[in-house]
Amino acid sequence: QKEVEQNSGPLSVPEGAIASLNCTYSDRVSQSFFWYRQYSGKSPELIMSIYSNGDKEDGRFTAQLNKASQYVSLLIRDSQPSDSATYLCAALRAGGTSYGKLTFGQGTILTVHP
Amino acid sequence: DADVTQTPRNRITKTGKRIMLECSQTKGHDRMYWYRQDPGLGLRLIYYSFDVKDINKGEISDGYSVSRQAQAKFSLSLESAIPNQTALYFCATSDPGTGYGYTFGSGTRLTVV
Repeated sequence: QKEVEQNSGPLSVPEGAIASLNCTYSDRVSQSFFWYRQYSGKSPELIMSIYSNGDKEDGRFTAQLNKASQYVSLLIRDSQPSDSATYLCAALRAGGTSYGKLTFGQGTILTVHP
Repeated sequence: DADVTQTPRNRITKTGKRIMLECSQTKGHDRMYWYRQDPGLGLRLIYYSFDVKDINKGEISDGYSVSRQAQAKFSLSLESAIPNQTALYFCATSDPGTGYGYTFGSGTRLTVV
């Protein structure tokens, strides 16, 4: 089982809709989670981080964390064609010698069509 | 200038050649990382360094070596390049003060022929 798993998609949504991206993780000691957006051929860009159970909102983006279910999600409201990219979920381990390393999922490709 | 700079941006090399990818950062972060990205496989950790004297192997270190010349510089070497090392390589930095989220360089696209 991969430490961080994402549905690779592609996920296709119409412009203006809500895009829902999901991520599960296997290591219960993971404590912090990050969502990165990556355009084709470009480097990943951090868009959200979440550390506590519940929701965290930033503009059109909402991250949700449920540690009991080991589940993280990213909602994008009012999706725009410019949101079309690969979205990477990453988990940070809580302790041990590897503290500070992020483990990434394989990414979900999102396409927003006009 | 970018916070994390990688050179070269693109490189084509022949099988068996030694090649070095360089990374420098101006963020003052102690922690630096090298990842490779392949289609469908996501980002995989090659090596990481938590300070100048601390270097650790990641999940796919075979065929690679690194050098941490200073806090700001972390280089990745392919001792004898092979075609399955063709990939997009990223350097990243992180800092506990900012929650450990990574800042990535712009990447090096390496092709081994």
